[in-house]
Amino acid sequence: EDQVTQSPEALRLQEGESSSLNCSYTVSGLRGLFWYRQDPGKGPEFLFTLYSAGEEKEKERLKATLTKKESFLHITAPKPEDSATYLCAVQADPWDDKIIFGKGTRLHILP
Amino acid sequence: ETGVTQTPRHLVMGMTNKKSLKCEQHLGHNAMYWYKQSAKKPLELMFVYNFKEQTENNSVPSRFSPECPNSSHLFLHLHTLQPEDSALYLCASSQESAGELFFGEGSRLTVL
Repeated sequence: EDQVTQSPEALRLQEGESSSLNCSYTVSGLRGLFWYRQDPGKGPEFLFTLYSAGEEKEKERLKATLTKKESFLHITAPKPEDSATYLCAVQADPWDDKIIFGKGTRLHILP
Repeated sequence: ETGVTQTPRHLVMGMTNKKSLKCEQHLGHNAMYWYKQSAKKPLELMFVYNFKEQTENNSVPSRFSPECPNSSHLFLHLHTLQPEDSALYLCASSQESAGELFFGEGSRLTVL
């Protein structure tokens, strides 16, 4: 069964303290892995797509990486406005419309 | 209007009521989705429409009935719901069922 597991469930960091969020996945064939950001009371906002092992994408203080079994979202020198829930999702089959989400990591950056 | 718009943002209904959630996308996409988001659970895919045709029905109870009259509009008709159906219902769209989903802000449903 296709599965997405995110860790940790919650993370509190001081402003400027870099860290990484993990997303491990079990799928028959990976079409794409996606990272989203969700603020309280809002819908998720798309951040990155990764397609193959070794691929990296960057946006401001965020950098996403992908291996054959997991993805990391690295946050460098975070600011309080980076506080949000970060969701990982996978699309497993080239012809499958299902996009499977993990439970997310709640990130809180303290000023 | 830009992006994906959902109405109403908040809905309270009794177990015997009938109501509908509406979603409209202004992005020119041809795939639309309904997801359910409950506390402590991952986003649960409910329905997918691709070019107005339903391509996924993720074992959703019949008290939820989707309707997609065209590529820009999606409805979720609700009737005889249960309290455990209380959740945030999110609509999303994408280009040809690519994984880059664009979400609305959601409809917060409370079933009494």
